[in-house]
Amino acid sequence: AQSVTQLDSQVPVFEEAPVELRCNYSSSVSVYLFWYVQYPNQGLQLLLKYLSGSTLVKGINGFEAEFNKSQTSFHLRKPSVHISDTAEYFCAVSDFQGAQKLVFGQGTRLTINP
Amino acid sequence: DAGVTQSPTHLIKTRGQHVTLRCSPISGHKSVSWYQQVLGQGPQFIFQYYEKEERGRGNFPDRFSARQFPNYSSELNVNALLLGDSALYLCASSLDGGRADTQYFGPGTRLTVL
Repeated sequence: AQSVTQLDSQVPVFEEAPVELRCNYSSSVSVYLFWYVQYPNQGLQLLLKYLSGSTLVKGINGFEAEFNKSQTSFHLRKPSVHISDTAEYFCAVSDFQGAQKLVFGQGTRLTINP
Repeated sequence: DAGVTQSPTHLIKTRGQHVTLRCSPISGHKSVSWYQQVLGQGPQFIFQYYEKEERGRGNFPDRFSARQFPNYSSELNVNALLLGDSALYLCASSLDGGRADTQYFGPGTRLTVL
């Protein structure tokens, strides 16, 4: 079975500082990896996904992530954050056992301080 | 284009009651999945439906059931509600339900069981 571990439950940073949200996965098959963002009282919005090819994936709102197979990691980064980036971020792996199923991590709450 | 829509937005029920949640996918999407998100945790997979057939089921009791209609909208039903069923229920749609296919999430239905 596949699983995802988000290593930080909360990450506080100052505005315009860089940020990295860490994600490790466990999988016995080839992986498809996703990062979603959830703003307060809203559903999930896709930030980016890795299916194959280049290990550096660029997403929306200036976010990017790097797939590292040897480290089984898929960390999310942004060089300069804004107050509007305050949200919950979820890493997920696509599990395919007859169904399209996302297995999510516990989430990382990103708080941007002015 | 309209995104995934869910109704109702909020719902309050008492233990033992039954609830029906509704979801309309993005136009052209044939797959609908349901997730349960308990406060402070990542979403957990409940069901996937594709072309009106159940493709997969997560680790949830038989009190949970769902169906998909010819117009690809979907209902999630929960019988004999327990306090632990209080959660945000998310619906996601995708084009063909494949493992690499992006799932687009609705805003969710917040269910409170008293």
